[in-house]
Amino acid sequence: DAKTTQPTSMDCAEGRAANLPCNHSTISGNEYVYWYRQIHSQGPQYIIHGLKNNETNEMASLIITEDRKSSTLILPHATLRDTAVYYCIVSSEAAGNKLTFGGGTRVLVKP
Amino acid sequence: NAGVTQTPKFRILKIGQSMTLQCTQDMNHNYMYWYRQDPGMGLKLIYYSVGAGITDKGEVPNGYNVSRSTTEDFPLRLELAAPSQTSVYFCASSSVYGYTFGSGTRLTVV
Repeated sequence: DAKTTQPTSMDCAEGRAANLPCNHSTISGNEYVYWYRQIHSQGPQYIIHGLKNNETNEMASLIITEDRKSSTLILPHATLRDTAVYYCIVSSEAAGNKLTFGGGTRVLVKP
Repeated sequence: NAGVTQTPKFRILKIGQSMTLQCTQDMNHNYMYWYRQDPGMGLKLIYYSVGAGITDKGEVPNGYNVSRSTTEDFPLRLELAAPSQTSVYFCASSSVYGYTFGSGTRLTVV
């Protein structure tokens, strides 16, 4: 079973920030938090990952709480092309970097 | 770089037929994976490999076989196709920076 909990769906206005929450209360010390997204029927796309520090790249920011039991993916200026299913996954190299996909959050960016 | 290449993109099989889904990556990644995705569902891990010559079962391995003779290639074999294997199959490879997925193979078993 997936070790993360995400809302089933959320809407976001184009141009606004999208904040996607994820709970991972049973995360282990050596597990990273990964975010992927899947647009329509394409292969999932890597967005960002982190261990305990906040991370930022050209696509998004990842905020991890100090106790590491939850995190938030921030898309700073959502566009229509950001409409996708977003998956929050915890994984470690010790586990073969295996990803266990839950249902994800279906994000709809509206004009 | 091509990344992860899967062939074929589409295939229709009759019940009981066999086929091999091909997967090749050119990033020199040690880790490779096969996932399947049923309509409206998340991806489920079928098999994975942490390096050439090493494979292991994932969550849903029944009805499938894999081999990893080289770092680049990780083919998935269906021996006796069943309607329950109708799905989209994704191959992926990974490094410490994350996964790269192929574009998928849409398989229908009739």
